[in-house]
Amino acid sequence: DAGITQSPRHKVTETGTPVTLRCHQTENHRYMYWYRQDPGHGLRLIHYSYGVKDTDKGEVSDGYSVSRSKTEDFLLTLESATSSQTSVYFCAISPAGHAFLGELFFGEGSRLTVL
Amino acid sequence: KQEVTQIPAALSVPEGENLVLNCSFTDSAIYNLQWFRQDPGKGLTSLLLIQSSQREQTSGRLNASLDKSSGRSTLYIAASQPGDSATYLCAVSYNNNDMRFGAGTRLTVKP
Repeated sequence: DAGITQSPRHKVTETGTPVTLRCHQTENHRYMYWYRQDPGHGLRLIHYSYGVKDTDKGEVSDGYSVSRSKTEDFLLTLESATSSQTSVYFCAISPAGHAFLGELFFGEGSRLTVL
Repeated sequence: KQEVTQIPAALSVPEGENLVLNCSFTDSAIYNLQWFRQDPGKGLTSLLLIQSSQREQTSGRLNASLDKSSGRSTLYIAASQPGDSATYLCAVSYNNNDMRFGAGTRLTVKP
């Protein structure tokens, strides 16, 4: 158990509403990641963080923002949700440092449906 | 563009069969390659991590190989069991700090 909790696990919302997904870790690792998983696309990186208040964009960052005010929490916000953001969102941590260095550990996912 | 491809998208085998899952990548400047397992409705679990300097890694009935020159990795599962049914994904980390995932192969092992 990598000590990663995502909330909510399921959410249905309407187009144009704001949505915030939360990732909480118990291990105090610097690097945290938000991915989205869509059929036929594998996982794609949205944003990542390498410390409190330190974040950077990933491959599919448009329409998303993130915040990290505490080491243990990494928030993903959709300011105005669109149907194209219907997806399963995964949070991950990397104990070895940046993800490319070693193993990634994932949360259980948050399934978001935008109507 | 650095792409990772997994073919086939789905595979069904009878219990007890040895099987091979494939992962191909377009850029040989990799740092490492990971194989993950994903059960329905769950997150990904890392199975094996191969560094670019290694040719293979083994864990129990799983063996992963890496051939950078041909841009391929294989995950060999020996004596498959119904409990092995899941989606298997590979992820390639590149020297430019980028990491790319394949779309996965959905494996079904029939009793």
